[in-house]
Amino acid sequence: EAQVTQNPRYLITVTGKKLTVTCSQNMNHEYMSWYRQDPGLGLRQIYYSMNVEVTDKGDVPEGYKVSRKEKRNFPLILESPSPNQTSLYFCASSSSGPPDEQYFGPGTRLTVT
Amino acid sequence: GEDVEQSLFLSVREGDSSVINCTYTDSSSTYLYWYKQEPGAGLQLLTYIFSNMDMKQDQRLTVLLNKKDKHLSLRIADTQTGDSAIYFCAESHTSGTYKYIFGTGTRLKVLA
Repeated sequence: EAQVTQNPRYLITVTGKKLTVTCSQNMNHEYMSWYRQDPGLGLRQIYYSMNVEVTDKGDVPEGYKVSRKEKRNFPLILESPSPNQTSLYFCASSSSGPPDEQYFGPGTRLTVT
Repeated sequence: GEDVEQSLFLSVREGDSSVINCTYTDSSSTYLYWYKQEPGAGLQLLTYIFSNMDMKQDQRLTVLLNKKDKHLSLRIADTQTGDSAIYFCAESHTSGTYKYIFGTGTRLKVLA
């Protein structure tokens, strides 16, 4: 089944403890992206990648890192999480750039205390 | 900066038409999209429109674009309870970038 998977789905952590949210797609997609969803703010793009080893900042990259060492994986790294990074995170992928459909993962709910 | 705005809530009766509105600020947007998010799930693309089009119809969905006013709307005909969800509009430019700007989302509630 073609899909985007994220792990973990739920995570509660403490301020400053490094964490990684994994994202993997099995569709051989070139493009991948990370978003955060917050009430009243909608979805905001954090980082995106248009190919292996090619990443770029979205609208809200501060406090996040990404890497794209292989095509299928695009992990999101929070080196020192803070409470304002408590959010619902989505990974998405598409075969090519706009307007090609983005396929979204199921989301990761992160709480930072 | 670029901004996409939507009203937060809409409530309609089953069988009526729903109209969800969106305004955007970036006049150089090339593509405008409507995504649907069901409870506990990721987003799913419903439809998109190229910026040089005025209208696009796809079964029960009609997208209208007023480029002069930077206004996008999504009309759902014969709205069903299964249409209850959050609807996001979004915009992007041509390929060469993978940058997307999403709106705040409109929560549609369909009353039986």
